Amino acid sequence: EVQLVESGGGLVQPGGSLRLSCAASGFTFSSYTMSWVRQAPGKGLEWVSYITSGSTSIYYADSVKGRFTVSRDNAKNSLYLQMNSLRDEDTAVYYCARETVHDYWGQGALVTVSS
Amino acid sequence: QVVLTQSPSASASLGASVKLTCTLSSGHSSYAIAWHQQQPEKGPRYLMKLSSDGSHSKGDGIPDRFSGSSSGAERYLTISSLQSEDEADYYCQTWGTAFRVFGGGTKLTVL
Repeated sequence: EVQLVESGGGLVQPGGSLRLSCAASGFTFSSYTMSWVRQAPGKGLEWVSYITSGSTSIYYADSVKGRFTVSRDNAKNSLYLQMNSLRDEDTAVYYCARETVHDYWGQGALVTVSS
Repeated sequence: QVVLTQSPSASASLGASVKLTCTLSSGHSSYAIAWHQQQPEKGPRYLMKLSSDGSHSKGDGIPDRFSGSSSGAERYLTISSLQSEDEADYYCQTWGTAFRVFGGGTKLTVL
């Protein structure tokens, strides 16, 4: 059974940093492109970033470029999102998702940016 | 940049059928999309990948009541024999090199 489990969410002050993790199981993690997608309270889904299977290609939405960094450790079946210089508008539930079509999703991790 | 347009809301009666629409922006009518369902207070769930020719491949465990079709720049999700648990937000999504993009979502109410 494919499982994606996010962790690392929490409350952080504006300008602060947070690192999210996504633990994958039930499939060959190293073979898949992975994405981060977020959803602000009461809003729709917004793509954040994706990283290809071997980390050779990495892309970001303009809204997070220069502040967020995605990475992965295929030996640990894990995906990460380092979030720096956080802003109020980064408050959202952050999901990891598999592949281009996002065929599996995690349960989400809530990040709240507030003073 | 590709833009996906969805109606904000739709409604249909229990047991009836409903067809949701996702429209690709001009010049992007060849793009495949994916449909996702998000029930209240839950994470998204992948429904299917839908190509420009109307062929589609559904996710694990998605009932036959869910089907997809295409016409030009429009991508459709049809849900037949509506059940109460189909009341949810439905998002279309597409992709390319260096981007992924979601439509604004359609909130489906089952009457």
